[in-house]
Amino acid sequence: NAGVTQTPKFRILKIGQSMTLQCTQDMNHNYMYWYRQDPGMGLKLIYYSVGAGITDKGEVPNGYNVSRSTTEDFPLRLELAAPSQTSVYFCASSYSAENTEAFFGQGTRLTVV
Amino acid sequence: KNEVEQSPQNLTAQEGEFITINCSYSVGISALHWLQQHPGGGIVSLFMLSSGKKKHGRLIATINIQEKHSSLHITASHPRDSAVYICAVRPLGTGNQFYFGTGTSLTVIP
Repeated sequence: NAGVTQTPKFRILKIGQSMTLQCTQDMNHNYMYWYRQDPGMGLKLIYYSVGAGITDKGEVPNGYNVSRSTTEDFPLRLELAAPSQTSVYFCASSYSAENTEAFFGQGTRLTVV
Repeated sequence: KNEVEQSPQNLTAQEGEFITINCSYSVGISALHWLQQHPGGGIVSLFMLSSGKKKHGRLIATINIQEKHSSLHITASHPRDSAVYICAVRPLGTGNQFYFGTGTSLTVIP
């Protein structure tokens, strides 16, 4: 199994550009999450989804959008990139919410200049 | 206020040493996870605990629910154990959320 796959691994964006971070999982997990990791800080939840067609905001959703048209895919969209969005982004999935292991992707390192 | 506190923040050890990383949290939880992140790499789940103790190879994780405390131990440490170790908790009643510690950066010197 591939697990959780994120693309791209690295990206440099100019201020105001847009991009989509892709995330796909092949474990038939219901729950998927997007986190950002900033230096010296714990991971922060951006958006999550409990199943296809259902998404909700996390702790730091501003400047991002998501969609969940299939169980496998959970893309994260940045519409107008800002320097504050320079971060490492992690996608994760789990089968359910309680007492189940979470699986993480390899991360996407995004720099906005 | 950080719901999850880890100590130490940084740790340097000689190869072969016994290592302990601590995690304290302030909320009721359904589970606690220990994660490992190598430099420039992804995040790998090491353990998920809701009580007691788990062992995998040279790694041992313990949790005391009453004390709201968990420890990750590494026996006979090796340079390949050098990584950031992250404690994460699932608060009760908020199954969609993890609270993460800021991580402990471990360097094991040959």
